[in-house]
Amino acid sequence: DQQVKQNSPSLSVQEGRISILNCDYTNSMFDYFLWYKKYPAEGPTFLISISSIKDKNEDGRFTVFLNKSAKHLSLHIVPSQPGDSAVYFCAATSSGSARQLTFGSGTQLTVLP
Amino acid sequence: DVKVTQSSRYLVKRTGEKVFLECVQDMDHENMFWYRQDPGLGLRLIYFSYDVKMKEKGDIPEGYSVSREKKERFSLILESASTNQTSMYLCASSFPKDRNEKLLFGSGTQLSVL
Repeated sequence: DQQVKQNSPSLSVQEGRISILNCDYTNSMFDYFLWYKKYPAEGPTFLISISSIKDKNEDGRFTVFLNKSAKHLSLHIVPSQPGDSAVYFCAATSSGSARQLTFGSGTQLTVLP
Repeated sequence: DVKVTQSSRYLVKRTGEKVFLECVQDMDHENMFWYRQDPGLGLRLIYFSYDVKMKEKGDIPEGYSVSREKKERFSLILESASTNQTSMYLCASSFPKDRNEKLLFGSGTQLSVL
């Protein structure tokens, strides 16, 4: 049973528009959430994170929103750029998890010029 | 430039072979991890290690073992490779205090078992 779910395998948006990537989780013990970005032939790289004590964290063009009651988080990219085309993984962990991350299945974002 | 290096980008092995995947990090990280990435399943944790000679099972350890004889090196071993172990294998490392937000990944090894 997947504890972290990304239900959209792919997403296409026009350059300059907003990209919204979604992630749902089932484990109420998760208290820290991360997004990683992965280009082909490279390892994932950390993008942005949020603690469960917050509902929003912003870093430049990237904002992560957390809705604890719905067990849902989203990543907003504004404005989207062709270089943002990559696979985005949502991940979660809890204080008692020995620092293990549970990843979602990923969403392939394609930003069209 | 700090990095995690995986010894092979591509590997092709036969069913039943013993396979070694090597990972080296140059950041003096205590924590090291092995994941596999499969389409539709994301990244799944195989094994991890918090220190030399220490190892812990992840979510899918069956068919795998690991070795950490030196702090900088973490090896994944497939005792008898099977076709369902065809996958992208990713090694990662981190400091304990970073709670994985600084998890640094290698470029991956695409293993094909025929």
